[in-house]
Amino acid sequence: RKEVEQDPGPFNVPEGATVAFNCTYSNSASQSFFWYRQDCRKEPKLLMSVYSSGNEDGRFTAQLNRASQYISLLIRDSKLSDSATYLCVPSEDSWGKLQFGAGTQVVVTP
Amino acid sequence: DTGVTQSPTHLIKTRGQQVTLRCSPISGHKSVSWYQQVLGQGPQFIFQYYEKEERGRGNFPDRFSARQFPNYSSELNVNALLLGDSALYLCASSLVGDKAFFGQGTRLTVV
Repeated sequence: RKEVEQDPGPFNVPEGATVAFNCTYSNSASQSFFWYRQDCRKEPKLLMSVYSSGNEDGRFTAQLNRASQYISLLIRDSKLSDSATYLCVPSEDSWGKLQFGAGTQVVVTP
Repeated sequence: DTGVTQSPTHLIKTRGQQVTLRCSPISGHKSVSWYQQVLGQGPQFIFQYYEKEERGRGNFPDRFSARQFPNYSSELNVNALLLGDSALYLCASSLVGDKAFFGQGTRLTVV
């Protein structure tokens, strides 16, 4: 079983629509969780940290379910610029070692 | 505030050669990590350094080595290059245990 599993997509989303996707992680000791976005052939960029209570940053909402070991990301009012691969990233240890999933591709269409 | 800088941005090497990649972290960040990303996959952890000491090592062969300097910059060395080492090599800097910020990466092609 992979340590971090994500639906690779692509999720084809009309502009203005809402899209949501999850990832599951296997290390129950993970303490910190992040979503990164990555554009084609570019470096990952931090989208948001994920907190146990769930958190929102503008059009983006992240949820963490520790019992079921999954993390979700919801994007509202999708923009063309939201087209990217979204990487689910638990932190493996207190030093901050990151364990990446393979990513979920989102394509927002006009 | 400058971000994480990596050099070179692109590199072409021949099988069997050796390569050194460089990374300068964000000012004030003492933790540097290295990741390898091959096409279609997420980044894979190679090394983490904090205060010039190795704090973590991923599942990579001994051909991969790294070090961190007193100014917190870092180098990743790969010896005896294989075709399969072709990838995007990413450096991330952070405050220890905190969110990480990535450089633009070094794209290594081994021919």
